[in-house]
Amino acid sequence: DSGVTQTPKHLITATGQRVTLRCSPRSGDLSVYWYQQSLDQGLQFLIQYYNGEERAKGNILERFSAQQFPDLHSELNLSSLELGDSALYFCASSEGGISLLDEQYFGPGTRLTVT
Amino acid sequence: AQTVTQSQPEMSVQEAETVTLSCTYDTSESNYYLFWYKQPPSRQMILVIRQEAYKQQNATENRFSVNFQKAAKSFSLKISDSQLGDTAMYFCAFMKRYAGGTSYGKLTFGQGTILTVHP
Repeated sequence: DSGVTQTPKHLITATGQRVTLRCSPRSGDLSVYWYQQSLDQGLQFLIQYYNGEERAKGNILERFSAQQFPDLHSELNLSSLELGDSALYFCASSEGGISLLDEQYFGPGTRLTVT
Repeated sequence: AQTVTQSQPEMSVQEAETVTLSCTYDTSESNYYLFWYKQPPSRQMILVIRQEAYKQQNATENRFSVNFQKAAKSFSLKISDSQLGDTAMYFCAFMKRYAGGTSYGKLTFGQGTILTVHP
């Protein structure tokens, strides 16, 4: 158990809908990262937040957005869903980039299926 | 931009034997970290081993060791005394290290290698 929690574990929804994925980082971690794992794209970085602010952005679609709240949990919002958005979405957390190596701990993931 | 390539989609090994997974990367950076992550059927991403590029000594964690060749941009993972529990997908990953030592944390992953350990 990494200490990172993600809810829900599974999500099935229809095209055009909107969903919210939630992540709670390890206690004391200030950074949260979102990754998408799909058969087509592999495992790719979406976005990082550090202490409430966006720090780095990857291949995140405009239909997707994220935020980190004052209690440090994070939400990834996916809207106008398409079949191709079906994937496993991981959240990871780390202390926050102060140390030389900011090791990331991954949550169990949320499996999103768009039908 | 960095790229990470794992040229072996699938590998298999007999229990107790040794197997090596290959990884090459392309970057213009001189300071970075390299990782191997394991993803068993449970889908949980587990850090296996990491290497700091400024260290010449190859990292070792119990049965897992790496062969880091910085000039060749190669980072292979050797698993000794393979166990059934090693069956998983293995990902090689790259992380840039920024000036001042801080890391902004973006991991760039390879395509993965499925390793099957046979009894």
